[in-house]
This record gives sequence, structure tokens and C-alpha cells, in this order.
Amino acid sequence: NAGVTQTPKFQVLKTGQSMTLQCAQDMNHEYMSWYRQDPGMGLRLIHYSVGAGITDQGEVPNGYNVSRSTTEDFPLRLLSAAPSQTSVYFCASTQSGGRGISRIHYEQYFGPGTRLTVT
Amino acid sequence: LAKTTQPISMDSYEGQEVNITCSHNNIATNDYITWYQQFPSQGPRFIIQGYKTKVTNEVASLFIPADRKSSTLSLPRVSLSDTAVYYCLVGEAAGRRALTFGSGTRLQVQP
Repeated sequence: NAGVTQTPKFQVLKTGQSMTLQCAQDMNHEYMSWYRQDPGMGLRLIHYSVGAGITDQGEVPNGYNVSRSTTEDFPLRLLSAAPSQTSVYFCASTQSGGRGISRIHYEQYFGPGTRLTVT
Repeated sequence: LAKTTQPISMDSYEGQEVNITCSHNNIATNDYITWYQQFPSQGPRFIIQGYKTKVTNEVASLFIPADRKSSTLSLPRVSLSDTAVYYCLVGEAAGRRALTFGSGTRLQVQP
């Protein structure tokens, strides 16, 4: 298994440009999410998905769109890049479950990250 | 969603035991406690998870008191390669509940 893969590894954009960060997983995980991490900070949740066709907003969704047409892929779109979106972006996946009594947090598997610079 | 509080940073020396404590006063009855480790330029990596009392694996131990309002990650005999940021999480990744990472604890191990 390749696990969670992300492309590209590095990207430089000009203000106003749009682009899509790709994320794929081959573990048949239902739950996928996108985080951003600014220098010296913790991770902040952008969007997440509990299954194909279902997405929801996280802590910092503005300026980003997501879709989940397949279980494997969860692309993140930057609509009009701004310097404030300069960050490292991590995609993660995990098996779903833990409904009802057991609210266990299943292990999240993270991709290697995409370092994005917006000038 | 239970909020967690951790020290911002800790320093240690090689060979010492390191204990990082996390407070989670409003943890829900059925919530689990999970710790992640993150090295520079990498995504976080799962270390350990527990519900109550003590859990041990090949990497660390997790101590959870009876009231579950805090937890302590214990790293035995740390080495330079344990220098990383450690995150404490309480909650679930399933369902429609968002899971968020706090700022974590930056552990610096000196020779």
C-alpha cells in the first residue's frame, strides 16, 4: 500500500491564481481530511469528508473547496490564492467507525504534505 | 469537543524519561485519548491511544487517572530522534465531528 499520497510536494502561486492539491489513499478509508499548518503552529482542519459524496467544513474553510467523488480521492481547491494561504497542507485518512458507544479515534494516516507559497 | 491544554515546550537530555501531561477537563464519557508525534517537514504520526488506566506499546506509555481529566504521555529514555512536537487529542474522527489538533508540545532532546 502506498498509504496517503499528495501532489505536488511544492508549489508557488501568484495572488489570484487557482489550483488543486491532490490527495489519494489506497486503504479504503471512508474518512479523509485536509489540514493546514503554518510555521510553528499546530494543524488546523480545513475540510473533511466522512465518505464519497459527503463533505463538511472544518475550522478554517474559507477560500477552499473540496469534493469527494470517490473513496480514494479528496482534492482541495484554492479558488483565488492569497498570501495568507501560504502554508503546508496535509491530507489524512482514517477508517470510520466508533459510532454509538465507542467513540474511539481511529489512527489517522497523514500524507507527506504540500508546501504552498503564495506571492 | 473536548479542549486540550499542553505545555508549549519541554527540554530533556538523552537517556532521561520524559512525561508530557495534557489536560482535558470536559472529556466525554466515551471519548478516547490519542497522542501523535510530528517531526519537522512530516505529517503527524500516531503514537498511542487509551481510555483509562495505563496503556503501553513499544514506543511509549500513556497514563490516565480515574477521573480522566488529564493524561500523561511517558517516553522512556529519550534519544535525539525523539525531538518532535507531540499532540494530545480527545474525540473521534468518525461521523460528522471535526477533529482538531492544538499547538502541541515541542520536545527538544539535548545530547
